[in-house]
Amino acid sequence: NAGVTQTPKFQVLKTGQSMTLQCAQDMNHNSMYWYRQDPGMGLRLIYYSASEGTTDKGEVPNGYNVSRLNKREFSLRLESAAPSQTSVYFCASLDRGLTEKLFFGSGTQLSVL
Amino acid sequence: KQEVTQIPAALSVPEGENLVLNCSFTDSAIYNLQWFRQDPGKGLTSLLLIQSSQREQTSGRLNASLDKSSGRSTLYIAASQPGDSATYLCAPHSGGYNKLIFGAGTRLAVHP
Repeated sequence: NAGVTQTPKFQVLKTGQSMTLQCAQDMNHNSMYWYRQDPGMGLRLIYYSASEGTTDKGEVPNGYNVSRLNKREFSLRLESAAPSQTSVYFCASLDRGLTEKLFFGSGTQLSVL
Repeated sequence: KQEVTQIPAALSVPEGENLVLNCSFTDSAIYNLQWFRQDPGKGLTSLLLIQSSQREQTSGRLNASLDKSSGRSTLYIAASQPGDSATYLCAPHSGGYNKLIFGAGTRLAVHP
């Protein structure tokens, strides 16, 4: 089982550039999440999708947009990257109603210069 | 707003010691609590999940306890090994889709 797959693993952008982080899960989970992780701050929720066709803002949504393309895929877009968006980004999916466990991808390390 | 604190922030111990990692949270109205492990440069892996109605969960050398009323959870690691070196994060879940809040983690180093 692949679980949660994120691409790319590393990315360097210049200020103002745009990019999309891709995420796909093969566990048939309804709920998917995007987090960012910064040193000493734990993980903070950017956006989430409770089910296919719905998306909602998390704690730190400014500067990001998301698309829940289908049940498997949930992408995160930076329209105009800023240095403050330098971080490690994680996608996750939730096995809600069964184990209730959260499954994570391996992360994208993003640097904005 | 739920706030999660993990103590200590970092821990370095010799192999073989029994360890206690602490997690405290401000909102005791939780649905469950998960403990995760994160290896450097990797994603998080769920280790244990304790439902709000449970007191503890065990998996191998790991035991997690939950005292919901006092807002505390503890992860015990028995007979620590160098392979246990990682960052351990706790995450209480208050039930809503956006209500799973993470602590900053305890960075553990077990040396031979």
